[in-house]
Amino acid sequence: GAVVSQHPSRVICKSGTSVKIECRSLDFQATTMFWYRQFPKQSLMLMATSNEGSKATYEQGVEKDKFLINHASLTLSTLTVTSAHPEDSSFYICSAIYGPSSDQPQHFGDGTRLSIL
Amino acid sequence: GNSVTQMEGPVTLSEEAFLTINCTYTATGYPSLFWYVQYPGEGLQLLLKATKADDKGSNKGFEATYRKETTSFHLEKGSVQVSDSAVYFCALNSGGGADGLTFGKGTHLIIQP
Repeated sequence: GAVVSQHPSRVICKSGTSVKIECRSLDFQATTMFWYRQFPKQSLMLMATSNEGSKATYEQGVEKDKFLINHASLTLSTLTVTSAHPEDSSFYICSAIYGPSSDQPQHFGDGTRLSIL
Repeated sequence: GNSVTQMEGPVTLSEEAFLTINCTYTATGYPSLFWYVQYPGEGLQLLLKATKADDKGSNKGFEATYRKETTSFHLEKGSVQVSDSAVYFCALNSGGGADGLTFGKGTHLIIQP
C-alpha cells in the first residue's frame, strides 16, 4: 500500500533553533500533502495544505512565517519550525493524497515529536 | 465550522465483547466520514470510510453507517480481539479529497484477554 515516510521521528533542541521535518511519499506521487499538529490528549489539528509547486494554504491562527512549508516535488514536502520555542513542542504529522478524486484516502506518516527545551 | 465529537476513553473491554465507539459531527455541506486507527508505535491508518448518507463502511470486522439524520458515524464490532487495542479517530472532510481532515480527539481502546 501507499507509504509516507516522515523524518525525523523525534527532535529535541534548544529554544531559538529552527527545525526541519520532511515528509516523503515513497511509492506514489502526492498531489497534495497536509500538515497536522497534535497536543497531548487532543485531536489532530490541520495546520496547512500543501500543493506541489504552489504556496501552502494555512489554517486560521497558524503563523505562516513561523511554520514554513515547501512542497518542491510530488514526493517531498518539508515543514520548518523557525526559531522554535517551548510552546512549539508538539507532535507533528504529515499526510499525502494522490489524484483529484475525493475518494482518495490520506496516507499518514508516523509523526515527529518535537521537544523544545 | 466543522467539528467531530467522539466518546472519551479509555474504553476497556474483554475479548469477544461487543464494541461501540460513538462519533457525531457538525459540518457544512455533505462531508465524507472516516475512521482511522493508530496501533501502538505506528502511524494513522484508514480503517473505513463512507462518502454519502446511509453508506456503510466496513473493514476487519468493523462497521460504521453514515447517518445524516443524526449526524453520526458510530464504529461497531461484534467481537473484539486483543489485537484491536489501539487509538481510534473519527474524522471528516467536507470539501472533497483535496481538503484536510477534521478529527475527533481519539478514543483509546484497551482489550483485555
